[in-house]
Amino acid sequence: GAGVSQSPSNKVTEKGKDVELRCDPISGHTALYWYRQSLGQGLEFLIYFQGNSAPDKSGLPSDRFSAERTGGSVSTLTIQRTQQEDSAVYLCASSATTVLTEAFFGQGTRLTVV
Amino acid sequence: KQEVTQIPAALSVPEGENLVLNCSFTDSAIYNLQWFRQDPGKGLTSLLLIQSSQREQTSGRLNASLDKSSGRSTLYIAASQPGDSATYLCAVAGGFKTIFGAGTRLFVKA
Repeated sequence: GAGVSQSPSNKVTEKGKDVELRCDPISGHTALYWYRQSLGQGLEFLIYFQGNSAPDKSGLPSDRFSAERTGGSVSTLTIQRTQQEDSAVYLCASSATTVLTEAFFGQGTRLTVV
Repeated sequence: KQEVTQIPAALSVPEGENLVLNCSFTDSAIYNLQWFRQDPGKGLTSLLLIQSSQREQTSGRLNASLDKSSGRSTLYIAASQPGDSATYLCAVAGGFKTIFGAGTRLFVKA
């Protein structure tokens, strides 16, 4: 596809369950970002992958959150033992450079924890 | 269509100076405005978030103002330090769609 693809677009899960969110970046983009946006809040940075470098995980809110990027392409964000405060829209972006303003965002995954 | 412009594109100042970064946007129907800094090779650090109903926010040496009617926000940095050197991004949110400005690259000389 031409853009960043995220799946699923919507996810409702029970508190305590694990969830996996997927991001397919634009082909050839070496930089990949995960953000989340809670209702009424701004963007919150979660994690940043750049090529083969160690990811910048400084934004992950707790050890229940983890992300991996296989083969420098697809990324999966995993949230273990979900809590209601994890409910948010999770956004993925990719970029051919390290400049965020040249990044392309996916449509996001709306996660609802009930 | 929302457009976000940041001026200046780059700025170099001596340590200790007070400085102002500008952000303008074309559609005043915004949800919130957020200022970030981005260090080379890193993700974003959120500095200040201003909701559409607010006029300013302060954190330490940083103060951000918002004038929705004129489509402007400013980020004021007092007593700049070399550690402030980074790219500063303004992001305007309309619902869940966030539009970023091109950023201001700041260099503070020791």
